[in-house]
Amino acid sequence: DSGVTQTPKHLITATGQRVTLRCSPRSGDLSVYWYQQSLDQGLQFLIQYYNGEERAKGNILERFSAQQFPDLHSELNLSSLELGDSALYFCASSVAGTVLDRTGYTFGSGTRLTVV
Amino acid sequence: AQKITQTQPGMFVQEKEAVTLDCTYDTSDQSYGLFWYKQPSSGEMIFLIYQGSYDEQNATEGRYSLNFQKARKSANLVISASQLGDSAMYFCAMREDPYNQGGKLIFGQGTELSVKP
Repeated sequence: DSGVTQTPKHLITATGQRVTLRCSPRSGDLSVYWYQQSLDQGLQFLIQYYNGEERAKGNILERFSAQQFPDLHSELNLSSLELGDSALYFCASSVAGTVLDRTGYTFGSGTRLTVV
Repeated sequence: AQKITQTQPGMFVQEKEAVTLDCTYDTSDQSYGLFWYKQPSSGEMIFLIYQGSYDEQNATEGRYSLNFQKARKSANLVISASQLGDSAMYFCAMREDPYNQGGKLIFGQGTELSVKP
């Protein structure tokens, strides 16, 4: 157990639907990062939150949104789902998010989303 | 522009032999961190080793070592005495933060390592 909890582990849903992925960071970590891993795109950074505030945005579609709550857990909302959104979605956390942080990220086990 | 380049989509190695996985990176920052992660078929991402841009010595963690050549902007992972359990996807990643935005990790495309008995 890495200490980062992601739920659900698997999700199957239909096109056009909306889903919410949840992440609880490791105790003490203030930064939460969301990544999408698909076969053809590799690991793509979506968005980062630090202590409740959005810090950085990557290749996140407008149909996707996220937030970090006061208890530091984070949710990634995916709407108007398309077949191409099928992927493994990772949440990761880190203490502060500085470049010289030797501990890097701690990843959750991921949510495998299948859109049918 | 590709920030992290892993030129070996797949590699084979014989059990008990050493293997080097290549990684080159592109940055204009002086401060950055380099990471290697392992992703077995079960899917989880496992942190292996870290090298900071100011570190004077190559990082080592057990059977993993990092051949860091700063001038060449390369950070190759060396796995010594390969084991069957080393079969996995390996990702090189870089963390830079020129605008103080929290230092997201940027990943390469990965190298799939297969260890033969």
